[in-house]
Amino acid sequence: DTEVTQTPKHLVMGMTNKKSLKCEQHMGHRAMYWYKQKAKKPPELMFVYSYEKLSINESVPSRFSPECPNSSLLNLHLHALQPEDSALYLCASSQAQGTDTQYFGPGTRLTVL
Amino acid sequence: QQQVKQSPQSLIVQKGGISIINCAYENTAFDYFPWYQQFPGKGPALLIAIRPDVSEKKEGRFTISFNKSAKQFSLHIMDSQPGDSATYFCAASREYGNKLVFGAGTILRVKS
Repeated sequence: DTEVTQTPKHLVMGMTNKKSLKCEQHMGHRAMYWYKQKAKKPPELMFVYSYEKLSINESVPSRFSPECPNSSLLNLHLHALQPEDSALYLCASSQAQGTDTQYFGPGTRLTVL
Repeated sequence: QQQVKQSPQSLIVQKGGISIINCAYENTAFDYFPWYQQFPGKGPALLIAIRPDVSEKKEGRFTISFNKSAKQFSLHIMDSQPGDSATYFCAASREYGNKLVFGAGTILRVKS
C-alpha cells in the first residue's frame, strides 16, 4: 500500500479564519513533507519532518504552522492567510530522509477569499 | 546550480507515437533522478527513476535515458496513448539532501 491520504479535498477560508490540513500515511515512512503547488507550476517544498522532528523549513511564512503528532500523521495549521496562498497543498512521505521515493497524496485545494 | 531545466513546456503527440521530454541539471552532486506524472486535480505519482550508475532504465513503455557527462536525462514514452495525457515533471536530488528539485513541467497531450 503506497497511499498517502489528505483531508479535506477542498477548503475555502477567509483571511481571518484558522483551519488545518491533515495528512496520513501507514507505510511506516519516517519522513513527511508539505509542498505547495500553484497552477501549471511544479511543487514547491515547504517543510520536511524526519522522525517526527522538523528537519527543513523553506523560509515559509509563520501563518503556516506544521505539526507532526506521530509518525503517521502530519498537519498544516493555517491562520491569517492571504489570497495568494490559494493553491494545491500536497503531502508526501518517504521511507527516510534521503534519496528515497517520495509518495504524494492527492492534495488539498485551498482557496483563500 | 540547484536548477533542473525541462523542455518542452508542452507537447502534442499522435496516438502510437513517441513522446520525448528532456531535462538538464547543473549540480553534479545530484544522484537520484525521478520522473513524476500528474493528472489534473491529483498529486504527482512516481513514474520511473534512475541513478547515475546506469545509462538507461526501462519500465514498460517508459524509458529514462541518462547522460552523466552531458548532465542530461530524458523520458521516452513509447506507443503513447491518450491516457498518457498529463503533466510530467522531472526532478533531481542528492543523497542525504532530501530536497527534490523539480523541473518546470511538460504538459503532454496525446491525440487519438
